[in-house]
Amino acid sequence: GAVVSQHPSRVICKSGTSVKIECRSLDFQATTMFWYRQFPKQSLMLMATSNEGSKATYEQGVEKDKFLINHASLTLSTLTVTSAHPEDSSFYICSARDSTGAGNEQFFGPGTRLTVL
Amino acid sequence: GENVEQHPSTLSVQEGDSAVIKCTYSDSASNYFPWYKQELGKRPQLIIDIRSNVGEKKDQRIAVTLNKTAKHFSLHITETQPEDSAVYFCAASPNSGNTPLVFGKGTRLSVIA
Repeated sequence: GAVVSQHPSRVICKSGTSVKIECRSLDFQATTMFWYRQFPKQSLMLMATSNEGSKATYEQGVEKDKFLINHASLTLSTLTVTSAHPEDSSFYICSARDSTGAGNEQFFGPGTRLTVL
Repeated sequence: GENVEQHPSTLSVQEGDSAVIKCTYSDSASNYFPWYKQELGKRPQLIIDIRSNVGEKKDQRIAVTLNKTAKHFSLHITETQPEDSAVYFCAASPNSGNTPLVFGKGTRLSVIA
């Protein structure tokens, strides 16, 4: 199957700092990528849909000025958590669909565990 | 929008027994239903999926059934093994590249040896 990478895999930062997470589709193009957040023992909650060359679409309750998304190319989307606070500590996972394929399968990145002290 | 309900939230079975996890969805436009297995701290792994043009799909010990009329689909694992222990998520999505998956809340399956 297609491969999605995510970097970094783990980050610890101080409260008030910003953290950037990268999501890359390694062997396919993705005009659309999705960002999810997963708290311990909970399901994946969609944060936003990242669209190549246009603005991201945010889910209700997700602050677009706090979670900045940039999808500058067909293989890269970035999520920046600005002014991070302890309550932002979570597992962030991206996913992507192959834009050229006919299937619906989403390929997930390995996730980024963010800990805000 | 789509809403996916998943039951049970936890499930314990003896090794060798079968496990069944059920999900319902609300949006009749949804036509793609994947199941993911997630181990602690790792990404969800697709284990099987079904599209709305079929009612059942099987892959070795894993099978999924879909009832479009009732808007529910189920995961069946037979001859369970300890390595099947994980959290399983169902999801639903319309057939559109720009539409994300909507996940159920997950089922923690424990297979007792």
